[in-house]
Amino acid sequence: DAGVIQSPRHEVTEMGQEVTLRCKPISGHDYLFWYRQTMMRGLELLIYFNNNVPIDDSGMPEDRFSAKMPNASFSTLKIQPSEPRDSAVYFCASSTIPFGGYTFGSGTRLTVV
Amino acid sequence: DQQVKQNSPSLSVQEGRISILNCDYTNSMFDYFLWYKKYPAEGPTFLISISSIKDKNEDGRFTVFLNKSAKHLSLHIVPSQPGDSAVYFCAASGGGGGGADGLTFGKGTHLIIQP
Repeated sequence: DAGVIQSPRHEVTEMGQEVTLRCKPISGHDYLFWYRQTMMRGLELLIYFNNNVPIDDSGMPEDRFSAKMPNASFSTLKIQPSEPRDSAVYFCASSTIPFGGYTFGSGTRLTVV
Repeated sequence: DQQVKQNSPSLSVQEGRISILNCDYTNSMFDYFLWYKKYPAEGPTFLISISSIKDKNEDGRFTVFLNKSAKHLSLHIVPSQPGDSAVYFCAASGGGGGGADGLTFGKGTHLIIQP
C-alpha cells in the first residue's frame, strides 16, 4: 500500500485566496483525521470522519475552514479566504480505529503571504 | 490548555546510552497512550503504545512506562542509536471512553543522538 497520500506537498498562496488540501487515505481505513501542526500549538486535531461522515469538527478554528469526504478514498480541507495565520503543516491520517495506530501522510506545508 | 505536555523541547544523548523522554497529562479520562516519531519533511509514525490497564510495554529497544497516579508516562530507548534522532510526540486518547475524540498530542521533544 502506498500509505496516506497528501497533495500538494507545499503550497504558497496570497492572503484572501482559496486553498484546497487533498488526502487519499489507506484503503480499508474507516477513520480519517485532519491535523494542523504549528510551533505554538503543536499538533491539533481539526476534524475527523468515520465512514465518510464528519464526526467531530470542534477543532476547526473558524468558518473559513471546511472539510469534506465525498467517498472512502478522498478528502479535502478547504480554507476560504486564507490568512497568514493559517500558515502551518497540515497532516491527514487514517486508521481502522479511532484511538490509535494512525498512519499519517507526509503533510502539506501551507504558507500564506 | 494543553492536556498532554512534553516539557522538554529537546534532549541530547550520547550514542549507546539510554534516552528517556517524558510526558505528562491532565485529563484523567485518557486511557490509551502512544508515542510517535517524526523525521523532517515526513509525517509522524507510530512507535509504541500502552493501555491504562498496564504500567509497562516493551518493544525491542523501546519501553513505555505509565504512572497513572502521577499522570505521567515516559519512553525509554536503550541503547540509543543515531537513527533515533527525531522529534518524539506523546499522544493520548480516551476522553469519554473509547477515544471518540481522536488523539491529543504533546508538542514534541527533539531527540538528538550524538556520536
